[in-house]
Amino acid sequence: AQSVTQPDIHITVSEGASLELRCNYSYGATPYLFWYVQSPGQGLQLLLKYFSGDTLVQGIKGFEAEFKRSQSSFNLRKPSVHWSDAAEYFCAVGTLNTGNQFYFGTGTSLTVIP
Amino acid sequence: GAGVSQSPSNKVTEKGKDVELRCDPISGHTALYWYRQSLGQGLEFLIYFQGNSAPDKSGLPSDRFSAERTGGSVSTLTIQRTQQEDSAVYLCASSLVWSTQETQYFGPGTRLLVL
Repeated sequence: AQSVTQPDIHITVSEGASLELRCNYSYGATPYLFWYVQSPGQGLQLLLKYFSGDTLVQGIKGFEAEFKRSQSSFNLRKPSVHWSDAAEYFCAVGTLNTGNQFYFGTGTSLTVIP
Repeated sequence: GAGVSQSPSNKVTEKGKDVELRCDPISGHTALYWYRQSLGQGLEFLIYFQGNSAPDKSGLPSDRFSAERTGGSVSTLTIQRTQQEDSAVYLCASSLVWSTQETQYFGPGTRLLVL
């Protein structure tokens, strides 16, 4: 069965430090991959997505993610974190099968300390 | 409207009561999705609509859950005979068309508490 794993439930980083949020998926083929961010009291917002081509994807707010087929991973990165990046981050997978086609990870909560 | 809206934003109900949750998608979006977000859990995909049609209802947790969409716009998620385990945030999203490549635009959610 398809699944999305975000192994880090909570991460704390200092403002200005680099960030990497991990995401692994289980699927027989290359799925469509997404990262969404949920700020407190807000709906989820798309940060970036990957379908094919260049495995390094640039998104909004200075985020990027790299698809690694060999590791079934799609990790999210940011070189320098800002206090406003504190939020919940969700990795998601869109598959090509019929039926329930979207799978979200359990999320990683990011705290940014001054 | 400019974004996806959901109402009510919060709902407290007693066990056994029925509740209706409403979603207004972005104008012109033909696809609409319902998710459930429980504490400490990821988003659980419940159902999606292509226009007014829901091709696959297998994601609904039980037969107490139903959803409909009329006029290709507003959707209602109904939970009958609510149970405490139904307490969660119910999120609605819409996209221009149905595709697993499409960006989904999410509403702020309805927080449901069943006492």
